[in-house]
Amino acid sequence: DTEVTQTPKHLVMGMTNKKSLKCEQHMGHRAMYWYKQKAKKPPELMFVYSYEKLSINESVPSRFSPECPNSSLLNLHLHALQPEDSALYLCASSQERAGGLGKLFFGSGTQLSVL
Amino acid sequence: GNSVTQMEGPVTLSEEAFLTINCTYTATGYPSLFWYVQYPGEGLQLLLKATKADDKGSNKGFEATYRKETTSFHLEKGSVQVSDSAVYFCALPASGNTGKLIFGQGTTLQVKP
Repeated sequence: DTEVTQTPKHLVMGMTNKKSLKCEQHMGHRAMYWYKQKAKKPPELMFVYSYEKLSINESVPSRFSPECPNSSLLNLHLHALQPEDSALYLCASSQERAGGLGKLFFGSGTQLSVL
Repeated sequence: GNSVTQMEGPVTLSEEAFLTINCTYTATGYPSLFWYVQYPGEGLQLLLKATKADDKGSNKGFEATYRKETTSFHLEKGSVQVSDSAVYFCALPASGNTGKLIFGQGTTLQVKP
């Protein structure tokens, strides 16, 4: 199994809603990532978990709250988002924190629209 | 810190044409270099990589050579197909063992039959 599975594929939410994005991998990878991608732009790193501990937070607003319940799962909790947060949210994993390896496995993403 | 510059697109080619997408980098030391591809409606996937100077990465008919003299990692394919239509990202690790990848701006390739 070389897949990273993300759910849901599409999400529409209002600015007062609370929702969660989910990501799962069964490759035994110990590093997991959240990226945000705007249309026609490269992905921007949000968070990195290494061995289930948050190791990088790229100054992301607190309305985004990551969680890593175990080595296979990664969640992103969303609350009080703004319309400018509308984007494709990508989860990725790697064998360990990428460093010089850089081989990331990406999911297909959740297309989020904030109304 | 490390950075990467990628040619702007979009690039439009006819099927069987030759493809070059330019990528140049600035880095401390000699980090690994990568090309990722994003097909419509999907996440990114690793296309190829090179881990040291003069290495050539190759996959699915695509090639790129790690050239330290010109600090370049240009992507080439001899004969593109419609199915190669996608966005291509050049990437390298950020300096320090942070787990962060730095992506170029992306080049959209459209191949017409």
